[in-house]
Parts: sequence; structure tokens; C-alpha cells
Amino acid sequence: DTAVSQTPKYLVTQMGNDKSIKCEQNLGHDTMYWYKQDSKKFLKIMFSYNNKELIINETVPNRFSPKSPDKAHLNLHINSLELGDSAVYFCASSQAGQTQYFGPGTRLLVL
Amino acid sequence: DAKTTQPPSMDCAEGRAANLPCNHSTISGNEYVYWYRQIHSQGPQYIIHGLKNNETNEMASLIITEDRKSSTLILPHATLRDTAVYYCIVRVALGNEKLTFGTGTRLTIIP
Repeated sequence: DTAVSQTPKYLVTQMGNDKSIKCEQNLGHDTMYWYKQDSKKFLKIMFSYNNKELIINETVPNRFSPKSPDKAHLNLHINSLELGDSAVYFCASSQAGQTQYFGPGTRLLVL
Repeated sequence: DAKTTQPPSMDCAEGRAANLPCNHSTISGNEYVYWYRQIHSQGPQYIIHGLKNNETNEMASLIITEDRKSSTLILPHATLRDTAVYYCIVRVALGNEKLTFGTGTRLTIIP
């Protein structure tokens, strides 16, 4: 059983499109995160949700909108995609204050 | 978050112990040392963490110096599958603290 899963695994799209990435965890955790890893392999936090409430919102363009329908899901919607959005997006989850576990990543390529 | 310093790369012979150092000279008393690794752009994988005592699990051992200013991750019998980028992270274990990834150490296991 996959603990933290993401869909899709790969996403290729045109500039200007709107797309969503989904994340689900079956660990019973109360906190979920989105991280972005760019082409230079730097991995940075984007958002964090605890019990469906936004806790961390780093300096991310407002074209990115996370949505947490319940504690087990944290989706990332991106409007008006730009070339610079090409990256690998990782979802993670944890019980508050404890170890974070990561998903396999979604590789986004904007053409 | 306190910053960490790691060597950019290391090699280790297969079957030998791999010792990965990390300096965290500005660590605070309530910050833990976490180790993650990333194998070829997969999601970061949790390895081990500790506060001040040495820790061991099925994957690795963590040795933290008495002054807590540095630590060493030990993979006792390295295999080719241990080739990865290893990240040392210090983090307050409160609430929903993000993980701040540095550039890590690229460990290559040599056959």
C-alpha cells in the first residue's frame, strides 16, 4: 500500500493552461505539504495544511492554489502555467511536529 | 532554522561503512537532526533523526556529538542501492515546521 500517492506522475502541458495535481495519504496524518524541486535540484516548501487549514504559505505566486477537501487529500491547482513552473512537485504528510513522509513526485513540463 | 553544512560529494566502496558528516554549529536546544535521502529524483526518503542521543534503526546509525554541533550518518554496509543524495536537516519538532533542504551530499557507492 502506498502511503503518500500523487497523480499524475507526469504532466506535459502548454503555457497558459490550468492544471491540477492530486495527493492522497493513507497514514492518518493531520498535516500535508507541497514542495517544489526545480531544475537545479533545490527542494523548497510551498504550502502546508493542518486539518484542512493553511499553515504555511511561502512566497508562491497566487496562480498556485492548494485545496484540502479533507485531511487525507491536498491538491494543487495551477492557473496560467508558465515555463518556469516546470519542476518536480512533491507532496508530503506528517503528524504535526513529527517525521514527514514524501510521495513519489509529479514531473511537470510546461512547453 | 539552523543551517547545515555537508560535503558536496563522497564515494564509498560497496560493502564498507559509509560515514556522512554534517555540521550544524548554530543548532538550538529544541532542534532535531533529521536525515533524508533522495534516490535519482524519487521522493525524499526518511532515514533517521535524533535530538542528542545516538540513534540506530534498520537503515542507519546517527552519531551526534556531545555539543550537538555536528553529526554523522553511518550506513553500516553500503550497497549500490544506497547511491543517492543525502540531506542533513535541523528542524524544530513543533507544530508544522517545514523541512529546509540544503544541497546535500551526493554519495556514490563504488562496486
